[in-house]
Amino acid sequence: GDSVTQTEGLVTLTEGLPVMLNCTYQTIYSNPFLFWYVQHLNESPRLLLKSFTDNKRTEHQGFHATLHKSSSSFHLQKSSAQLSDSALYYCALIPGGNYKPTFGKGTSLVVHP
Amino acid sequence: NSKVIQTPRYLVKGQGQKAKMRCIPEKGHPVVFWYQQNKNNEFKFLINFQNQEVLQQIDMTEKRFSAECPSNSPCSLEIQSSEAGDSALYLCASSHREDTQYFGPGTRLLVL
Repeated sequence: GDSVTQTEGLVTLTEGLPVMLNCTYQTIYSNPFLFWYVQHLNESPRLLLKSFTDNKRTEHQGFHATLHKSSSSFHLQKSSAQLSDSALYYCALIPGGNYKPTFGKGTSLVVHP
Repeated sequence: NSKVIQTPRYLVKGQGQKAKMRCIPEKGHPVVFWYQQNKNNEFKFLINFQNQEVLQQIDMTEKRFSAECPSNSPCSLEIQSSEAGDSALYLCASSHREDTQYFGPGTRLLVL
């Protein structure tokens, strides 16, 4: 079946430093849709980014990610972490033509002053 | 902002009791998902519907779980005989096809 791997369970950063959260995936479908969701404490997940075409960068709220089918990756990056970025981040896959989603285990990002 | 409505927000049941939660998807979204988010914050996909039809579902834990999305009524997820291990946050989400999922606030189930 499909899988999504987020290698870091916890990332701790000082405010102002760059953020990179890893996401790799496996699927037999050739045109998957990849998403990053963010979940703040006591809130439900909401969309942060979604993929478009291969090798095209997508950006929102200072975060960006690029779908690379060659390496099956959709890493999340931000140039400068803010305290308000502290949250859970989930990478998710929906295979094209099959609506069954697969979520990674999530990465907890903690940004401190 | 998500307009998915979930009720109740909190649910407390004794072991062996039925637990039922409801979800009203965003208007116009044909696909509805149910997830279980455990105490480790891991998402477990349970089932999804397109309109009233089941698309995919997991082997729902000894068949204790059931779900439906009748027309003109809220979708529902029911646990026939609750167990302590069912304590979790149950999230409903809706979407257009393979697009962004919009999540409701969740129903937090505690089984004593």
